[in-house]
Amino acid sequence: SQKIEQNSEALNIQEGKTATLTCNYTNYSPAYLQWYRQDPGRGPVFLLLIRENEKEKRKERLKVTFDTTLKQSLFHITASQPADSATYLCASRGRAAGNKLTFGGGTRVLVKP
Amino acid sequence: NAGVMQNPRHLVRRRGQEARLRCSPMKGHSHVYWYRQLPEEGLKFMVYLQKENIIDESGMPKERFSAEFPKEGPSILRIQQVVRGDSAAYFCASSEAPGTSGRMSTDTQYFGPGTRLTVL
Repeated sequence: SQKIEQNSEALNIQEGKTATLTCNYTNYSPAYLQWYRQDPGRGPVFLLLIRENEKEKRKERLKVTFDTTLKQSLFHITASQPADSATYLCASRGRAAGNKLTFGGGTRVLVKP
Repeated sequence: NAGVMQNPRHLVRRRGQEARLRCSPMKGHSHVYWYRQLPEEGLKFMVYLQKENIIDESGMPKERFSAEFPKEGPSILRIQQVVRGDSAAYFCASSEAPGTSGRMSTDTQYFGPGTRLTVL
C-alpha cells in the first residue's frame, strides 16, 4: 500500500538557521506533494504544493523540492523564527487515489530564540 | 472571504449516543473531504463528497459512520452509537472541482479548524 513517512523526531533549531524536513514515499508515484503547517488544537494550513514535474518551489522563506528518483521531498525554512514553531505535515495524492490525500505523521519543529 | 467552517469545535458524547459534525466549505468550493486525527497520529482520509454525491468513502469505517453533503446546507459527518475509540479530532477540507480551468490551486484542499470529539 502507498506509504508516506516523515521523521517523527522533533527538530530543535536555533533562530536564524535553516530547518530541513524530509518526506519519503514508497509504493506509488504521487501526482504532487503538499506541505501543511499545523499548530496545536488547529487545522492544517496549506503552505506549498509541488508537482512531479517540478524540481523546486519557493514561497517567501519556504522552499520545497521534489526528487522522484529518491522518492523524496525536502521542506526548508530559511532564517527560521520562533513563530515558525509548529508541526509540518507532508501530504500526497497518488495518481490512482482519486482526490484523497495521504498524510505523513508530521515533524514538530521548535525554533529557539 | 470566510474559510472552511466547522461546528461544533468541541463535542462531548457518552458511549452509545450519536455525534453530528458539520462542515461548511469555502465559498466557491463544491468538494468536501473528511479526515480523522487520532491522538498522536497523523491525519487519515475518511470520505470525499460532492453535492448530493459520495465520491470516495474508502476510509470510512463500515459501521456507524455516514456522511452526506446535501444540495443545500453543510456537509454532515454522523457517528452513531459512539465508542471511546471514536474520540479524535475530525477535520473537514474543501476544494474547487479538481481540474477546473487547469489551475494548480484547484487541487489544494483547505482545512477547517476541526471538531474535537470526546466520548466519555
